[in-house]
Amino acid sequence: EVRLVESGGGLVQPGGSLRLSCAASGFTFSSFWMGWVRQAPGKGLEWVANINQDGSEKYYVDSVRGRFTISRDNAKNSLYLQMNSLRVEDTAVYYCARVTQLGNFDHWGQGTLVTVSS
Amino acid sequence: DIQMTQSPSSLSASVGDRVTITCRASQGIRNDLGWYQQKPGKAPKRLIYAASSLQSGVPSRFSGSGSGTEFTLTISSLQPEDFATYYCLQYNSYPRTFGQGTKVEIK
Repeated sequence: EVRLVESGGGLVQPGGSLRLSCAASGFTFSSFWMGWVRQAPGKGLEWVANINQDGSEKYYVDSVRGRFTISRDNAKNSLYLQMNSLRVEDTAVYYCARVTQLGNFDHWGQGTLVTVSS
Repeated sequence: DIQMTQSPSSLSASVGDRVTITCRASQGIRNDLGWYQQKPGKAPKRLIYAASSLQSGVPSRFSGSGSGTEFTLTISSLQPEDFATYYCLQYNSYPRTFGQGTKVEIK
């Protein structure tokens, strides 16, 4: 069974940093692209970033490029999102998701809440 | 960037009704479109991929159609467990973009 478990969310002040983690199990992690999607309170889904199997290709939504860094450790079956210079508008539930060969998301974690507030 | 315009933003329907949700892409995306269902406090669940392929385990009352710029999700006979918010996602190009969502409520 595919399982994705996010951690690392919490309350942080504007300008602060946070690192999210996603522990993957139940599939060959190193064979899949992975991604992050977020959802602000009461709002819709927003794609954040994707990373390829060996970490050599990364894509970001414009609003986080230069502030957020997606990475992975295939030896630890883990995906990460380093978030720097956080803004109030980054407040959201962040989901880790597996990317299929076609490019869409087939399995999602339960999400971790990031709150940026003073 | 490709914009995904989803309509309606909400609808009220009764159990047994046929429901149709539409997504329009600002440019052609072939069939690189998925549909997701999300219930309150839960992660999204994939229903449809490649515009019309049903995810394993998803009831056959769900179907998807379309190609290019116009896509449709149809629920042939709405069931109580189908009351949720539905999103389309284009994965033809970066940045990936979702529709704004359609909330399906009980009439």
